[in-house]
Amino acid sequence: NAGVTQTPKFQVLKTGQSMTLQCAQDMNHNSMYWYRQDPGMGLRLIYYSASEGTTDKGEVPNGYNVSRLNKREFSLRLESAAPSQTSVYFCASRPYQGFAETQYFGPGTRLLVL
Amino acid sequence: QQQVKQSPQSLIVQKGGISIINCAYENTAFDYFPWYQQFPGKGPALLIAIRPDVSEKKEGRFTISFNKSAKQFSLHIMDSQPGDSATYFCAASIRGGSYIPTFGRGTSLIVHP
Repeated sequence: NAGVTQTPKFQVLKTGQSMTLQCAQDMNHNSMYWYRQDPGMGLRLIYYSASEGTTDKGEVPNGYNVSRLNKREFSLRLESAAPSQTSVYFCASRPYQGFAETQYFGPGTRLLVL
Repeated sequence: QQQVKQSPQSLIVQKGGISIINCAYENTAFDYFPWYQQFPGKGPALLIAIRPDVSEKKEGRFTISFNKSAKQFSLHIMDSQPGDSATYFCAASIRGGSYIPTFGRGTSLIVHP
């Protein structure tokens, strides 16, 4: 049981390049989330997927798109990377809608945009 | 608008001391208050959580104190150890539904040996 896995662990992009951050969970969780973490800013929600087939915007969605490929996988795409998107990105999952509140986080992807 | 305010931003304590991190919230509909612990290079992990029907919850050296009337809650780490050095995030949420927690901005704790 690997929990939540993210790839890649680290990436350097040039301004304007595109890339997809991958996230997968093997816990049969319904809900999945993408956050970015910047110094002094805490965790800010980019997009989330309450269940397979649905996605919704979070607090900071501009410049990002997501795909809930299946129940296990939730990807985050940067179409045209900007230096402001330099951050650490975390994927998280949660068992099901209802009263299971614990989020399980992946190890993160560190992204540097030059 | 920051719905969950966390303080201090950083904290240094000596081994064996008490670490205290405070959070204040504004939305009275929040009914679940977790604390997450994050070690360098790792993702956050749930440490302890409380619901507003109790004023305190203790798990080992970690205690959450909750003051509903003041809309404040705090994390106390007793007998702080160097291994407790990490970033701590408080959060608040409404249980059920889509469950979108609001996080505080984090506290970097360093425990000196």
